[in-house]
Amino acid sequence: SAVISQKPSRDICQRGTSLTIQCQVDSQVTMMFWYRQQPGQSLTLIATANQGSEATYESGFVIDKFPISRPNLTFSTLTVSNMSPEDSSIYLCSVAGGPANTGELFFGEGSRLTVL
Amino acid sequence: DAKTTQPTSMDCAEGRAANLPCNHSTISGNEYVYWYRQIHSQGPQYIIHGLKNNETNEMASLIITEDRKSSTLILPHATLRDTAVYYCTFGYRDDKIIFGKGTRLHILP
Repeated sequence: SAVISQKPSRDICQRGTSLTIQCQVDSQVTMMFWYRQQPGQSLTLIATANQGSEATYESGFVIDKFPISRPNLTFSTLTVSNMSPEDSSIYLCSVAGGPANTGELFFGEGSRLTVL
Repeated sequence: DAKTTQPTSMDCAEGRAANLPCNHSTISGNEYVYWYRQIHSQGPQYIIHGLKNNETNEMASLIITEDRKSSTLILPHATLRDTAVYYCTFGYRDDKIIFGKGTRLHILP
């Protein structure tokens, strides 16, 4: 299974600032997924990031607010821009892995963001 | 987008089998059923997946009905460490995976 490292693990930010979250995978992967988990809620998919192409955003998420980079097959970043308290969440990076390429997801430990 | 129905919460006595049901009636023929769990403050953890046949690994067993519209995750001997939110979902490799609300499983001592 893929090993995923996220940075930062947590941060406290001021309203109006931006934060970039990094996701590093120990193997080359085609698809990377960014999720948000608001307090007490399930996971909500933000976008799918393919290497070499623009990320595909889910309804309710826009590139200006959540720009994503995918410079190579092992790395991606998610930026949360112009933050407000409503952006306080855990942000999770995941990849599809598994030995048989049957699509099971593996997740990082998440980046816990608190916006004051 | 995947849509699943799971009980909001369940209790299970420690040492007993925990049976977690999931309804996924809109699953397509080539889509897998996946189960994950999330222990408090941790990232979600993959448990098991299956297509048509029942599956077993070191963590759990997965029973899929013949019509594939529902499945049951079985933790054969639940321990306190199995207390978590369990998510059932489905999709095909490299598809985006949509998570429902999951089942909050409480293991009782």
